[in-house]
Amino acid sequence: EVQVVESGGGLVQPGGSLRLSCVVSGIPFSEIRFYWVRQAPGKGPVWVSHINKDGTDRQYAESVKGRFTISRDNAKNTVYLQMNSLRVEDTAVYYCTTDGGWKLDYWGQGTLVSVSS
Amino acid sequence: QSALTQPPSASGSPGQSITISCTGTSSDVGGYNYVSWYQHHPGKAPKVVIYEVTKRPSGVPDRFSGSKSGNTASLTVSGLQVEDEADYYCYSFAGSATYVFGSGTTVTVL
Repeated sequence: EVQVVESGGGLVQPGGSLRLSCVVSGIPFSEIRFYWVRQAPGKGPVWVSHINKDGTDRQYAESVKGRFTISRDNAKNTVYLQMNSLRVEDTAVYYCTTDGGWKLDYWGQGTLVSVSS
Repeated sequence: QSALTQPPSASGSPGQSITISCTGTSSDVGGYNYVSWYQHHPGKAPKVVIYEVTKRPSGVPDRFSGSKSGNTASLTVSGLQVEDEADYYCYSFAGSATYVFGSGTTVTVL
């Protein structure tokens, strides 16, 4: 059974930082590209970032470029999202999901990030 | 990058069919055959029901089908069932290693 478990969310003040983690089991982790997707309250999901199998190719949405960094540790089956200079508009549930060849195959249940003073 | 446009809601009685549209531009939906659809029951993990416009992952009932015409993709759910009540989102490749989701449609089974 494939499991995708996000953690690290919480309440943070504007300008603060958080690091999200995504632990994955049940699939060949080092062969999979991973995505972070977020969904603000009452809104549709938004693609945030993705990382290729060995971490050499990382892409970001314009809204987070320069503030967020995606990384992975294939030895720990874990993907990370380092979020700096957080803004109120970054408030959302953040999902980690796997690339299945032009589809997002496996998703976690998400971790909530709230940015507020 | 603007979200793809979906109707906020759709509804039907059990056994009926509904179709959800997803309108983008020639830079995303119209430019690539890489549209997928996701079913999301609140509090649960989203699930892919259609990918590459028309393909259905194993385990997804054949009641779910997809199509595309120009800049608009569509998801049809035939023989609507109570368990189909959920939020549905389209998702498209938008070139240059970027992606865009739809605004979402809440499906209600009457």
